[in-house]
Amino acid sequence: QSALTQPASVSGSPGQSITISCTGTSSDIGGYNYVSWYQQHPGKAPKLMISDVTNRPSGVSNRFSGSKSDNTASLTISGLQAEDEADYYCSSYTSSSTEVIFGGGTKLTVL
Amino acid sequence: EVQLVQSGAEVKKPGESLKISCKGFRYSFASYWIGWVRQMPGKGLEWMGIIYPGDSDTRYSPSFQGQVTISADKSISTAYLQWSSLKASDTAMYYCASAYTDSSTAFHFWGHGTMVTVSS
Repeated sequence: QSALTQPASVSGSPGQSITISCTGTSSDIGGYNYVSWYQQHPGKAPKLMISDVTNRPSGVSNRFSGSKSDNTASLTISGLQAEDEADYYCSSYTSSSTEVIFGGGTKLTVL
Repeated sequence: EVQLVQSGAEVKKPGESLKISCKGFRYSFASYWIGWVRQMPGKGLEWMGIIYPGDSDTRYSPSFQGQVTISADKSISTAYLQWSSLKASDTAMYYCASAYTDSSTAFHFWGHGTMVTVSS
């Protein structure tokens, strides 16, 4: 089962907005509304930022939002802050036997 | 606050067996899927498998099926990941993580990770 496709890196300046894409197939992202996004700072455990494409868990800043179009999901971070610099991973339910697959991860740099 | 507490770092030799643990606190452990995620040094996250502690329904990624065993003891709110014969390529950080809805597809809470080093 191939991983979902994410850009290796994105960057933005404080205050700007950035979008990270996550591309899959009709067997995963395109077929189900079970896309999640995780933030991971160096040496730390991942943290759930978005579930079920658009749901933001309690405590997550409303600067983070998720969306989906066809086989591609997106995470948008508005009002970029230095603390947002981290690795971001998408995941999706898949109808293959794996159940859930992750993207390869995107390193966000705040300039 | 929900908490997942994982067992400590391990250093093992190839061929040895290992069982690491993840204990849940302050939530209904038996009622939510709990899973394991591998992160090899400098690499991304890999979904290994999940278990529903209430009835021990277990699902594995094909990449890990037959390589590891996931189990849980709901009486002590603890999930396990075990190997019968470790390889150097098993060297990685292993995270346990739990869902917090009926769905098994999003991990709301994460343990701090258990570093497993396999070296001769």
